[in-house]
Amino acid sequence: QQPVQSPQAVILREGEDAVINCSSSKALYSVHWYRQKHGEAPVFLMILLKGGEQKGHDKISASFNEKKQQSSLYLTASQLSYSGTYFCGTEGVQGAQKLVFGQGTRLTINP
Amino acid sequence: DAGVIQSPRHEVTEMGQEVTLRCKPISGHNSLFWYRQTMMRGLELLIYFNNNVPIDDSGMPEDRFSAKMPNALFSTLKIQPSEPRDSAVYFCASSLLAGGTDTQYFGPGTRLTVL
Repeated sequence: QQPVQSPQAVILREGEDAVINCSSSKALYSVHWYRQKHGEAPVFLMILLKGGEQKGHDKISASFNEKKQQSSLYLTASQLSYSGTYFCGTEGVQGAQKLVFGQGTRLTINP
Repeated sequence: DAGVIQSPRHEVTEMGQEVTLRCKPISGHNSLFWYRQTMMRGLELLIYFNNNVPIDDSGMPEDRFSAKMPNALFSTLKIQPSEPRDSAVYFCASSLLAGGTDTQYFGPGTRLTVL
C-alpha cells in the first residue's frame, strides 16, 4: 500500500537536474509532494489531482500519470537549497484526506 | 499567520510513564492529523479528525495510544504507558477540507525519547 519512491538517494552538483519517481500499486486520486530538511517538518511543494496533470513553480515541477499510478517530481538546475528528503503522499479516494507516504528520496546538492 | 503549534518540542521520559503531546491547528482548518516518523517505518498516519470527530484511527499502534480533539483549537495524543519503541518524532498537521483534497500543513514536531 505504501508507494515506492525511486531512487532512494541521489547526489548532484549544483545546476544539475533530478527526477524522483513515486509509484503505487493502487489507483490514485491525488499525489502530494513534500520536502523535509533534517530536523525540520515536511514542507508542502505541490498537489496533483488529475491524471496527466503537470504542475510546477520555479524550477520544480511534477507530473501525474493516473493510468500508470505514478508521479514524477522534476528538479531542474538544482540549487543548494533543494537538498533534503522528498516524500510523495498518495491519496486513493477523493476527499479521504488519508495520505500514505513513500519512504522518501534523499537529495544532496553539492557546490 | 501562525502555523501549526506543537508542544513540547522535545520530551524525554522513562518507560512506563504517561506522555501527552499537544497540537494547535491553524485557525479555520477543519481537519487534523497525527503522524509518527521513524527511520524504520518512515512517516505514518496514526489518526485523523474532521470537524473534531475521529475519522480513521487504523494507524494507532495499540491501546496504549489515544487521541482526542475536544474542540477545533486543540488536540492531544497520549501514550500510556510509554515504551522505548515509541521513541520517534510525532508530527501534527492540519488542513482545510473543502469538498476535495487539500494541503496538509505540518507542525514542527515533538521528538519523543523513551528510556
